[in-house]
Amino acid sequence: GQNIDQPTEMTATEGAIVQINCTYQTSGFNGLFWYQQHAGEAPTFLSYNVLDGLEEKGRFSSFLSRSKGYSYLLLKELQMKDSASYLCAVRDNTGGFKTIFGAGTRLFVKA
Amino acid sequence: GAVVSQHPSRVICKSGTSVKIECRSLDFQATTMFWYRQFPKQSLMLMATSNEGSKATYEQGVEKDKFLINHASLTLSTLTVTSAHPEDSSFYICRTGSGGADTQYFGPGTRLTVL
Repeated sequence: GQNIDQPTEMTATEGAIVQINCTYQTSGFNGLFWYQQHAGEAPTFLSYNVLDGLEEKGRFSSFLSRSKGYSYLLLKELQMKDSASYLCAVRDNTGGFKTIFGAGTRLFVKA
Repeated sequence: GAVVSQHPSRVICKSGTSVKIECRSLDFQATTMFWYRQFPKQSLMLMATSNEGSKATYEQGVEKDKFLINHASLTLSTLTVTSAHPEDSSFYICRTGSGGADTQYFGPGTRLTVL
């Protein structure tokens, strides 16, 4: 089966940097996604990692280590609008391609 | 990027009624559609995978007779919640994406409230 763990909540200050960690166990790893979700809205795509290493995209970066079953999302120069839930999701190719979501990390950005 | 629409965005219904949720891909052909449900402060739970022209594949614990999925065309998939009860109140979201895509496209979601 699959298991995805990420912290429930985090708080950070505007302008700072925050790292949201995600660990996973899956039998047929085929990529890891990070999504941002504001309350009452659908998730929006942030990043996709399938190979080890760091992917940088503006203020957001995502890292993957497949051997450790570990990823993190790094948010720089935090803004108030970054307050949202951040979902780690793993695509598994066992029995067909499925994307399984973690419970999400609620990030609160304070002034 | 691809756009997926979902209708209705909100629906309130009485217990025992059926509700149909439509998910449309607006500028591409969606051979596969995923349906998720999300309860407050919880993550998205995959309910079923629908493929155009064939029966949907349901996840363990999801009643296929209660959550009817139809994917009759490459641009439309529907989820019907039959005989809805208050415990079915949730946020329902569809998602599509081609097999090799790195991005996945979500619909905006439907907030269902069953009284």
